[in-house]
Amino acid sequence: GDSVTQMEGPVTLSEEAFLTINCTYTATGYPSLFWYVQYPGEGLQLLLKATKADDKGSNKGFEATYRKETTSFHLEKGSVQVSDSAVYFCALSYSSNTGKLIFGQGTTLQVKP
Amino acid sequence: NAGVTQTPKFQVLKTGQSMTLQCAQDMNHEYMSWYRQDPGMGLRLIHYSVGAGITDQGEVPNGYNVSRSTTEDFPLRLLSAAPSQTSVYFCASSSTAGSYEQYFGPGTRLTVT
Repeated sequence: GDSVTQMEGPVTLSEEAFLTINCTYTATGYPSLFWYVQYPGEGLQLLLKATKADDKGSNKGFEATYRKETTSFHLEKGSVQVSDSAVYFCALSYSSNTGKLIFGQGTTLQVKP
Repeated sequence: NAGVTQTPKFQVLKTGQSMTLQCAQDMNHEYMSWYRQDPGMGLRLIHYSVGAGITDQGEVPNGYNVSRSTTEDFPLRLLSAAPSQTSVYFCASSSTAGSYEQYFGPGTRLTVT
């Protein structure tokens, strides 16, 4: 079946450091890929998405490229801020069905001043 | 707009008690779903609905019932609470089943003792 695997956290960085959160997936078809972010005490928000191979999603300085050959969708940011501290979820979905999201386990990011 | 709202925010139940978690959205979205979030497991789909009067099971439906009598509301019922249902519950909605962005509510933290 389909699944998503993320690197284990927590990830602790100093402000302005470079961020990479690894995400790999197993899929039987051609899914769309997503990164959602959950700030403390809140629900999830869509951060970025990519709908086909080689697409790059970007938002708020975050980027991720849909790599079909390595089945990966790693999240990157060049310079993190304290306000980026949150839990990040990688997910996949097929647009042709119910829209069900399959999530990775989440990675907690802590950014220290 | 309020978006997706959930009540209550926190709830403590004793084993065997029943309760209903409320979810409402004011965006006229057809697709609504319930997820539970457990440490180290990401979010897992409980039930979903693609429109009023239509519901179906997700990945972990046992112990939960749903109904969808209106477009706006999608309550989740626990008929006989068990400690294994201690979790954070999120409701989500999107404009169509194939839509790329799902909007999440703030969550309900449920503890079953």
